[in-house]
Amino acid sequence: NAGVTQTPKFQVLKTGQSMTLQCAQDMNHEYMSWYRQDPGMGLRLIHYSVGAGITDQGEVPNGYNVSRSTTEDFPLRLLSAAPSQTSVYFCASSLGQGALNTEAFFGQGTRLTVV
Amino acid sequence: AQSVSQHNHHVILSEAASLELGCNYSYGGTVNLFWYVQYPGQHLQLLLKYFSGDPLVKGIKGFEAEFIKSKFSFNLRKPSVQWSDTAEYFCAVNAEGSQGNLIFGKGTKLSVKP
Repeated sequence: NAGVTQTPKFQVLKTGQSMTLQCAQDMNHEYMSWYRQDPGMGLRLIHYSVGAGITDQGEVPNGYNVSRSTTEDFPLRLLSAAPSQTSVYFCASSLGQGALNTEAFFGQGTRLTVV
Repeated sequence: AQSVSQHNHHVILSEAASLELGCNYSYGGTVNLFWYVQYPGQHLQLLLKYFSGDPLVKGIKGFEAEFIKSKFSFNLRKPSVQWSDTAEYFCAVNAEGSQGNLIFGKGTKLSVKP
């Protein structure tokens, strides 16, 4: 099983450019989410989705958009990249629409640098 | 708001020393608790999890954690660390009603000297 697949693994953007980070899972999980990891800050939730067609904001949503047209895919869009968005981004999925007693599976991460 | 506190930012130990990393959370209801490890340049890996039942949870690589509900704590322990345990460790909580969103602590870097 592939699990949670993120692409690309590395990306360098110029300020103001846009791009989409891809996330796909093949476990038929209803719940998917995006986190960013910054030194000394742990992981912070950007956006999440409890099922196809349903998305909501997390702790740090500004500057990011998401959509969930299928169960498998949950892309994260940066509309106009800023240096403050330099970070490592992790996508995660889990079974159940926000239920307890489920484990999250994480992708390998995307290291994004905005210059 | 829910929060997770990890007491130590950086811990330095010699090989064979015992390890205990603290984790406290702020939520009075039902919780799931997790410890993740991130080796340098790698993604997150699940070390262990607590859903219910025996509060002493055993995970991979000789790690264990104890859930103490009265103290809102979920401390991670290992009797004898190895150089290969050098990594960053994250405690995370999934609280009832949070729609499955994990709240992470800020992480503890563990450096093990050979």
